[in-house]
Amino acid sequence: GQSLEQPSEVTAVEGAIVQINCTYQTSGFYGLSWYQQHDGGAPTFLSYNALDGLEETGRFSSFLSRSDSYGYLLLQELQMKDSASYFCAVRDRPGNTGKLIFGQGTTLQVKP
Amino acid sequence: DSGVTQTPKHLITATGQRVTLRCSPRSGDLSVYWYQQSLDQGLQFLIQYYNGEERAKGNILERFSAQQFPDLHSELNLSSLELGDSALYFCASSVAKGSSYNEQFFGPGTRLTVL
Repeated sequence: GQSLEQPSEVTAVEGAIVQINCTYQTSGFYGLSWYQQHDGGAPTFLSYNALDGLEETGRFSSFLSRSDSYGYLLLQELQMKDSASYFCAVRDRPGNTGKLIFGQGTTLQVKP
Repeated sequence: DSGVTQTPKHLITATGQRVTLRCSPRSGDLSVYWYQQSLDQGLQFLIQYYNGEERAKGNILERFSAQQFPDLHSELNLSSLELGDSALYFCASSVAKGSSYNEQFFGPGTRLTVL
């Protein structure tokens, strides 16, 4: 089966940079995704890595190392509105489905 | 706004009852997914439908069932409800093709409370 580990909470100050790590164990790998969820809201897709390296989208970047079964989400120039939960997710076998397995989520608190 | 709609927004019912949650996917998306989110279990995949047919199943209870209709909207039926079924239920949709499976668009959710 699939399992993902990520820290439960992270705190940072406005304007800072924060990194949220995710390690995974999978029987087949179809990429690592990141989702953001504000309290009581719907998860929103942030990024996806299928290959090793860094993907940048504005203030957010995501990194993947398949050999280490590890990825991270990097948030730069933190803003108060970035306070939310962040989930990493992998797709379960077989590869032709959208069955996403989510980590337990990391709650990011941004302080002024 | 993701383009995915869900009704109702809130549902309060009693143990032993049956409820139906409804979802309309984004225009053009053939795949619909249902997820359950509770405090202790996190975000759990329940089931996926693709163009009317079941494509993938998670740890969905036998008391739960779903279907996708010809107009692509989907319904999740929960029966013999228990207190532990209280949760947020999300519907999501995506283009059903390769890496697009990883980018799913979630609806606002239905908050189910079983008393």
